[in-house]
Order: sequence, then structure tokens, then C-alpha cells
Amino acid sequence: QSVLTQPPSASGTPGQRVTISCSGSSSNIGSHHVYWYQLIPGTAPKLLIYKNDQRPSGVSDRFSGSKSGTSASLAISGLRSEDEAEYYCATWDDNLSDHVVFGGGTKLTVL
Amino acid sequence: ELQLVETGGGLIQPGGSLRLSCAASGLNVINNYMSWVRQAPGKGLEWVSFIYGEDSTLYADSVKGRFTISRDSSKNTLYLQMNSLRVEDTGVYFCARDLYGDFYFGMDVWGQGTTVTVSS
Repeated sequence: QSVLTQPPSASGTPGQRVTISCSGSSSNIGSHHVYWYQLIPGTAPKLLIYKNDQRPSGVSDRFSGSKSGTSASLAISGLRSEDEAEYYCATWDDNLSDHVVFGGGTKLTVL
Repeated sequence: ELQLVETGGGLIQPGGSLRLSCAASGLNVINNYMSWVRQAPGKGLEWVSFIYGEDSTLYADSVKGRFTISRDSSKNTLYLQMNSLRVEDTGVYFCARDLYGDFYFGMDVWGQGTTVTVSS
């Protein structure tokens, strides 16, 4: 059971905008930056967002991140079939000795 | 191009040992902070181990005392020695680079993973 809570699933149709939430507490999201990763089975995971809302070079601007208080969100606009994947938020938790903690993940289905 | 390639996974009985390797190209494992992350079947990502600085290490509580992370500069390879394996260690194991600068940039380079199956 992760300290970061994500909805297990989300869905949308091509072209839509979808948002995936990540809920935490003052000891994790409330105090630290949030990162988002995309995992497509059989491929290497990909860093989508760092430092809450920054995109690494090469990541489409269709992906955007935000953080408010103890929650964070990943938004995907102009949904495409290739966006079908698992999405994970990550950060640190002051009450844990872990290097990083991941959310439980959200499986995004493009209908 | 920055690349990480994991090898060493396989089928092993409970109580057994395996050593995973993560060969790097385009980056030097000695000069970078590196992590192992795993995904059990049907489960989410779980951070396993981290090596940083002058070979300082961190481990998840679930593997502490059983797993050892290390690196070899001559082979430019990261390792994860896994002993006393349990069924719950089954999963895909990824190595990743943790990029630090003025702040933490995240795990920006990942391998495709190697599968470990612990079963009798």
C-alpha cells in the first residue's frame, strides 16, 4: 500500500484531455517535488515530468504536471492511442527511509 | 545515446541467489547515482536500491540484508546481488540513472528490465 494514492484506472477517447491524480500528505507531496513516469509493457519506463511541472527534453508538450498542497496531477491533452500505458507519480516521504516512493500507478486506456 | 541494458534474470527456487547486471553505455555508472526498481506481476513500481557518492547505498526494507547493490568501473556495469530470494521478489527489475544537478531531476534513463521468477 503506497503512501501516494492514484486511481487504478483512467480512460479517454482520442483527442480528449485526461487527468491523473496523485494524493499524498504533508510528509511527501506537501514537502517535496513530484515526478511522473510512463510505463509501457515491454519498454523502458520514461520520465515525463520532473520538479512538479517540468518536462524533460523530448517529452511532448501534451503532457503537463501540476501540484497543489498535498496533491499532484498529470494531464494529457490530445489523447493518442500510443498514450495507453501505466502512469506513476513519485516523490520522497520524510517518514520513510526509501530513496523514492512511487504511487500505485494508473492504467490509462485509450478507447 | 545513453543506454542501460539489464541481464541476469531467470527462474530460481526460493532461497536461491541471482546477480543482475546493468551495462551502461553513454554514461559512466561510477560518476552517476543509480537505482534498481522492480515491478511485481500485476503490481506497481517499487524502488529497491540506490547507490550514490562514494558507494553509499540505500535499500528498501523488503530487501535489506538480502540484496547488495554495487558497480564496476572497468565494466561500466551496475549490479544487484540478490540472496535468500523469496516468491515475493518475483518481477521485472529495472536499473535507472538518478540525475542530480541543482536539484533532483528524476530517473531519466532506464533499461528495459530483466525478469526474475522465484518459484519452486
